[in-house]
Amino acid sequence: QKEVEQNSGPLSVPEGAIASLNCTYSDRGSQSFFWYRQYSGKSPELIMSIYSNGDKEDGRFTAQLNKASQYVSLLIRDSQPSDSATYLCAVNRAGGSYIPTFGRGTSLIVHP
Amino acid sequence: GAVVSQHPSRVICKSGTSVKIECRSLDFQATTMFWYRQFPKQSLMLMATSNEGSKATYEQGVEKDKFLINHASLTLSTLTVTSAHPEDSSFYICSARDRSVMPMNSNQPQHFGDGTRLSIL
Repeated sequence: QKEVEQNSGPLSVPEGAIASLNCTYSDRGSQSFFWYRQYSGKSPELIMSIYSNGDKEDGRFTAQLNKASQYVSLLIRDSQPSDSATYLCAVNRAGGSYIPTFGRGTSLIVHP
Repeated sequence: GAVVSQHPSRVICKSGTSVKIECRSLDFQATTMFWYRQFPKQSLMLMATSNEGSKATYEQGVEKDKFLINHASLTLSTLTVTSAHPEDSSFYICSARDRSVMPMNSNQPQHFGDGTRLSIL
């Protein structure tokens, strides 16, 4: 069973703080990793994608990947109340497949 | 760009009714679309992969005869929940990948529709 694990939270941070969201995966051969944001009752929207070890920054978001540890994270700097949502980690199955496996998601609450 | 339209957004119907959900890629062609189901506070669970012009590939445990998938064109896939029962109530979401983005490999993200909230009474 290929799994993607996330702490369901909720993770509560004050406005302006850094929110750190973590994800581990079991399929060592996975090559593509995505972070999606999902507001309540809505479908997921892509935040970040990362394919190589290290950090990738896009605005207030930084994705970090460590394939040796099978760990991917998302940092949100200067968190805003509008960032309050569930963040889903998705990992594409190994072997050239483009079918992702989603984690359960981490609920983030940014309070003023 | 890369807009996926899903219709209807919400359905409330009686037990035993069959419900059809449409998923359209509006500004790109998608040879493959995906259908997910999400129960409250749960992860997205892939139900099936819809392939244009061929049979869908269902995930283990998903009933093919209950969840009928048709991918008649490069921009349209439909999911029909046949004889729906209360336990089928869920949030159904489709997604698609742009076939024009090459190479067609695993690095592409998916573009999601807005989802359909299905409630069976």
